[in-house]
Amino acid sequence: QVQLQESGPGLVKPSQTLSLTCTVSGGSISSGSYYWSWIRQPAGKGLEWIGRIYTSGSTNYNPSLKSRVTISVDTSKNQFSLKLSSVTAADTAVYYCARESILTGYHGAYYFDYWGQGTLVTVSS
Amino acid sequence: QSVLTQPPSVSEAPRQRVTISCSGSSSNIGNNAVNWYQQLPGKAPKLLIYYDDLLPSGVSDRFSGSKSGTSASLAISGLQSEDEADYYCAAWDDRLNGWVFGGGTKLTVL
Repeated sequence: QVQLQESGPGLVKPSQTLSLTCTVSGGSISSGSYYWSWIRQPAGKGLEWIGRIYTSGSTNYNPSLKSRVTISVDTSKNQFSLKLSSVTAADTAVYYCARESILTGYHGAYYFDYWGQGTLVTVSS
Repeated sequence: QSVLTQPPSVSEAPRQRVTISCSGSSSNIGNNAVNWYQQLPGKAPKLLIYYDDLLPSGVSDRFSGSKSGTSASLAISGLQSEDEADYYCAAWDDRLNGWVFGGGTKLTVL
C-alpha cells in the first residue's frame, strides 16, 4: 500500500521560502509511470494544484504560481519536495502531496489516486 | 473563481439520489477525462471516480459519473449520512497545461 507523508515547518515568515518534503513509502518513487504533485487548500476553500514532477524530473507548474515554485525529486530518499518563494499570508493553507497515476492507452486518463494527510503551513510574522 | 464550475451546495434526504454538476470548457472537460474526489471533514481528498465514470476498487457502486461535452456529473444514490462531505471535480486543462479543480460542492444529507 503506497503512503505519502508531508513534512516541513508549520510556520513561515512573510517573504521567506516555504519548503516541504513528501516521503513516499510502500513503493519506489522512480518505478512506474507516475507524476508526483503538490496541491493546497486554504481554510474553508477549494483545492488548488501547485505543480508536479515526473519520475524523469520534468515538471509542470500552475501558471499563477510558476514564478515562485520549484518541485524536485530525490529518488535515493524516495522523496519529492516543494519550494515556494516570497510567501505571503495568501499562501497559508493545508498542503497535500499526491501521486498521479496514468491509465495507459486512454487519452487524458490521469488521476490522483494516493494523497498524503496534509500539513498546515501558516505564513505569519 | 474556479475554472470548473460546481454548485456550492446540494442537499437531499437519506435513501434518495442526488447529482452534482461540473461545467468546464473545451480545453479541460471537453478534451480530457474528469475525476471526482470526496473530502470528508478534516481529511484528505479521496479518489471517487476517474476517467469520467470508472470506480476505483473499494468505492461503493452507489457513486457514478458521467460526462457530455464540456460538462460532467456525479450521482450518488441511496444517500447515507456518511456521504456528507465536500465533492470536487478535476480535469487537466490543455490551455493552462495544468490541473484545474471545481470550487467544491458541500453535500448535506437531511
